[in-house]
Amino acid sequence: EVQLVESGGGLVQPGGSLRLSCAASGFSVTSKHMNWVRQAPGKGLEWVSIIYSGGNTDYADSVKGRFTISRDNSKNTLFLQMNSLRAEDTAVYYCAAGVDYWGQGTLVTVSS
Amino acid sequence: QAVLTQPASLSASPGTSPSLTCTLRSGIIVGSYNIYWHQQKPGSPPQYLLRYKSDSDKQQGSGVPSRFSGSKDASANAGILLISGLQSEDEADYYCMIWHSSAWVFGGGTKLTVL
Repeated sequence: EVQLVESGGGLVQPGGSLRLSCAASGFSVTSKHMNWVRQAPGKGLEWVSIIYSGGNTDYADSVKGRFTISRDNSKNTLFLQMNSLRAEDTAVYYCAAGVDYWGQGTLVTVSS
Repeated sequence: QAVLTQPASLSASPGTSPSLTCTLRSGIIVGSYNIYWHQQKPGSPPQYLLRYKSDSDKQQGSGVPSRFSGSKDASANAGILLISGLQSEDEADYYCMIWHSSAWVFGGGTKLTVL
């Protein structure tokens, strides 16, 4: 059974950093294109980043240069390193395997 | 203009067959794209419903009832999610999505209310 479990969310001050993790089970994170998608409170879905099965990466313009997606194949875990955080980054962050499997999400709040 | 436009809300009665539309921005041709649909209920993550490119190229999500189906309206440059035999449990937000310019792009979502 495919399972994705995010962690690492919390309250951080503007300009701060946070690292999100997404532990995968039931498949290998290298076998699928892995994504981060976020949802601000009361808003719609916004794609953040992708790491392709081959290892290349892409980012939304809103996070380019501030966020870094990576994976640890040995731990079968996806990461999102978030730096220079802004109030508008406040959201629930979901990891998604391909288009069809989603985690439960982790809340990131950027506030002083 | 947004890449994908969805009506903000739609109301329908149980047993009816509402269509949810997802209109692509002018210049982005619906026939060239896979249209993905996700359902999200309050307090829960999105759930993948289906992918539709054509009648011969489509995929139903695992465990998704067949009363959810996809189609396209080329004249309107839109993807369509059809829900046949609407049930109360179908009340949710529905998001369309495409892969465009090396990025996932989501529509703003349609809130479906079952009367």
